[in-house]
Amino acid sequence: NAGVTQTPKFQVLKTGQSMTLQCAQDMNHEYMSWYRQDPGMGLRLIHYSVGAGITDQGEVPNGYNVSRSTTEDFPLRLLSAAPSQTSVYFCASRAGYTGELFFGEGSRLTVL
Amino acid sequence: AQSVTQLDSHVSVSEGTPVLLRCNYSSSYSPSLFWYVQHPNKGLQLLLKYTSAATLVKGINGFEAEFKKSETSFHLTKPSAHMSDAAEYFCVVKPFNTGNQFYFGTGTSLTVIP
Repeated sequence: NAGVTQTPKFQVLKTGQSMTLQCAQDMNHEYMSWYRQDPGMGLRLIHYSVGAGITDQGEVPNGYNVSRSTTEDFPLRLLSAAPSQTSVYFCASRAGYTGELFFGEGSRLTVL
Repeated sequence: AQSVTQLDSHVSVSEGTPVLLRCNYSSSYSPSLFWYVQHPNKGLQLLLKYTSAATLVKGINGFEAEFKKSETSFHLTKPSAHMSDAAEYFCVVKPFNTGNQFYFGTGTSLTVIP
């Protein structure tokens, strides 16, 4: 059972480039989310989805776009990368309303 | 407003001695509370969770935490530290009435001295 899988694990971009971080889960979880982790700030919610076709903004959504066409996949798109988006990105899914989050191993992004 | 405060950003203990990582929260309603551990360059792994059952919660690897509503605390403890416990620990709160929002503390880095 793979759980939550993120790709790529590492990526370097130049300012203004676009890219997509992939996230897939095989646990049939309706809820999926993206967080960014920055030193001394914990994890902050970027976007989340409660099911296919339904997405919503989190705490820090600017500069990011998401879509949810299937239960399994929840890609995160950076439209025009900026150095402020240098961070480690985590995808997480959840089973049920009171369940805990299951995390992927993270994607480390550097924007030059 | 919801918030999570991890009272220590760094904790150092000697191997074999007790571990205490402190977490206070503010929440308008009965929350779900979690502790996660993150080893270097890894994702977050659930240690334990409180969801309004027993106030003393036992988790993996010998960790446990006690929910104290009167003190709005959820401190993480372990009787005897092991070298493999060295990691970053996050206290996480999900208030009952906030839908899908989880609130993360800023983390406590645990160092275990041999």
